[in-house]
Amino acid sequence: RKEVEQDPGPFNVPEGATVAFNCTYSNSASQSFFWYRQDCRKEPKLLMSVYSSGNEDGRFTAQLNRASQYISLLIRDSKLSDSATYLCVVNIGSGNTPLVFGKGTRLSVIA
Amino acid sequence: ETGVTQTPRHLVMGMTNKKSLKCEQHLGHNAMYWYKQSAKKPLELMFVYNFKEQTENNSVPSRFSPECPNSSHLFLHLHTLQPEDSALYLCASSQTHLRLAGVSNEQFFGPGTRLTVL
Repeated sequence: RKEVEQDPGPFNVPEGATVAFNCTYSNSASQSFFWYRQDCRKEPKLLMSVYSSGNEDGRFTAQLNRASQYISLLIRDSKLSDSATYLCVVNIGSGNTPLVFGKGTRLSVIA
Repeated sequence: ETGVTQTPRHLVMGMTNKKSLKCEQHLGHNAMYWYKQSAKKPLELMFVYNFKEQTENNSVPSRFSPECPNSSHLFLHLHTLQPEDSALYLCASSQTHLRLAGVSNEQFFGPGTRLTVL
């Protein structure tokens, strides 16, 4: 099983749609979880950290399910500017282990 | 601007050339990273430096040689590369590489150097 696994997509959705991405991770001792966004030919940028209690930032909601070892990202009322690749990032293990990136899920929001 | 700069932004080199990639961060961070991003592959961590000390070498071939003279600068020296080394090389920094309570280990990325090896 890969350390961090994501559905590569692409997800093609109309403007205003709600879209959800899931990501699974293999190490049950993982402690830190993030969603990064990467635009075409640009560097990744942090979208949001994922906390145990779940967190929301405007149209974006992130959730963590430790029992099933997955995190999710929900985007409501999609905008054209949301088109990007969304990277699931996990700190594998409980120590000072580096972050491991998933391959990313590509989202295209269509007018 | 993320506070992390990389030069050059594009590089084309032959297999016998020697070149260096440079990364500089203006965020006061103590940890710096080199990643490789190839087409259709996830970001691959190459090296980690924490307080100028290398803490991670992810089985990277010796034709890639990192150098970290201080906490703000990171270099990647390249020599006798192969065509399969063509990729986007991203530098990142974070406050610390350690997992400390109350300290974010969010990584800030530079724009990357797109390397083509002929």
